Amino acid sequence: AQSVTQLDSQVPVFEEAPVELRCNYSSSVSVYLFWYVQYPNQGLQLLLKYLSGSTLVESINGFEAEFNKSQTSFHLRKPSVHISDTAEYFCAVRPLQGGSEKLVFGKGTKLTVNP
Amino acid sequence: GAVVSQHPSWVICKSGTSVKIECRSLDFQATTMFWYRQFPKQSLMLMATSNEGSKATYEQGVEKDKFLINHASLTLSTLTVTSAHPEDSSFYICSVRRGNTEAFFGQGTRLTVV
Repeated sequence: AQSVTQLDSQVPVFEEAPVELRCNYSSSVSVYLFWYVQYPNQGLQLLLKYLSGSTLVESINGFEAEFNKSQTSFHLRKPSVHISDTAEYFCAVRPLQGGSEKLVFGKGTKLTVNP
Repeated sequence: GAVVSQHPSWVICKSGTSVKIECRSLDFQATTMFWYRQFPKQSLMLMATSNEGSKATYEQGVEKDKFLINHASLTLSTLTVTSAHPEDSSFYICSVRRGNTEAFFGQGTRLTVV
């Protein structure tokens, strides 16, 4: 079975400041890793994903995440946030093969960007 | 554009009535769809996996007679909350997976039972 821990339930930051949203996971098998963003009363949108290859993955809107296998982490970072980045962010994992096809989500981190 | 369409986006119903939520895959055929429930300030909890042409697979603790799932075609799955009660009030989200890794989510349905 897999589990995902997002260490911070809320992260308030000022506009243009850097931010890191932490995600750690536990799994006995190799996993795919994902970050999703959810705006109020909306579904989830894929922000970025790690499947294989380079451990640093980037999104089109300036976010990046680095897969660290030894620390079983997939922290999300952005060097300079905007007001529009205010949303809930979910880290998720899914096994590469065998067993469940299900995404397992963390509890989410609410990012609030203040002017 | 949207890959998954979920309808309605919000619904208010009286206690004891049933509510149907639709999830449509717009861009591709989906043999499998997923239904999630999200409580306030909580993560998404998988309720069931909807399989086209066969019975849905429910997660432990989810009442199959309460949450009826029908996946009648390759582009449509429905979730019916039967005899709804206030504790069923929640945000319900469907998901469709394309290929081996990419999942797309509907915009969600806010159900309020009064």
